[in-house]
Amino acid sequence: KQEVTQIPAALSVPEGENLVLNCSFTDSAIYNLQWFRQDPGKGLTSLLLIQSSQREQTSGRLNASLDKSSGRSTLYIAASQPGDSATYLCAVRDSNYQLIWGAGTKLIIKP
Amino acid sequence: EAEVAQSPRYKITEKSQAVAFWCDPISGHATLYWYRQILGQGPELLVQFQDESVVDDSQLPKDRFSAERLKGVDSTLKIQPAELGDSAMYLCASSLLAQAPGGQYFGPGTRLTVL
Repeated sequence: KQEVTQIPAALSVPEGENLVLNCSFTDSAIYNLQWFRQDPGKGLTSLLLIQSSQREQTSGRLNASLDKSSGRSTLYIAASQPGDSATYLCAVRDSNYQLIWGAGTKLIIKP
Repeated sequence: EAEVAQSPRYKITEKSQAVAFWCDPISGHATLYWYRQILGQGPELLVQFQDESVVDDSQLPKDRFSAERLKGVDSTLKIQPAELGDSAMYLCASSLLAQAPGGQYFGPGTRLTVL
């Protein structure tokens, strides 16, 4: 059974720092992996989607990597800003084409 | 830019009452999903529709929850009777197809509080 883990559950860093969020999954048989952002009390916004054949995707200050063999993905945020404060969730699409979610990392960027 | 619409945004109800949530997916999206998200956790899939047909409702508590998508466009999720443990965010998402490589698009959610 696919399980997705995000560590740490919460992270607080000063503004301007580069940071990395981690996502690990137990079964490497995935179709893709997606990173989402969720603001308090709001829905989910898709940030980046990496297909199983890809190694990374970039969008602005965000870069997501995927290492299927080790069951890991990272979301790199460059030059963090207070507006980046949110919960970041990763989800993998498993062999049954179901989305399996992590519990998220709550990120706080201190001005 | 097209968005998934949900209403209401917030709902407060007493236990044993009935509640209903509405979702309008992005136009042309054949697949629609209802998720429940408890605070501090990832979303849990409740039901998945392909057009008007249910393709996965294995996690839907069918004794009290029901979902329909009669014309294969918008959808309604109902809870009757509501219980205290149903307090959560209910999210609707849509995708072009179930196996769309572009992923799912989420609505703003409905925050349900059961008193």
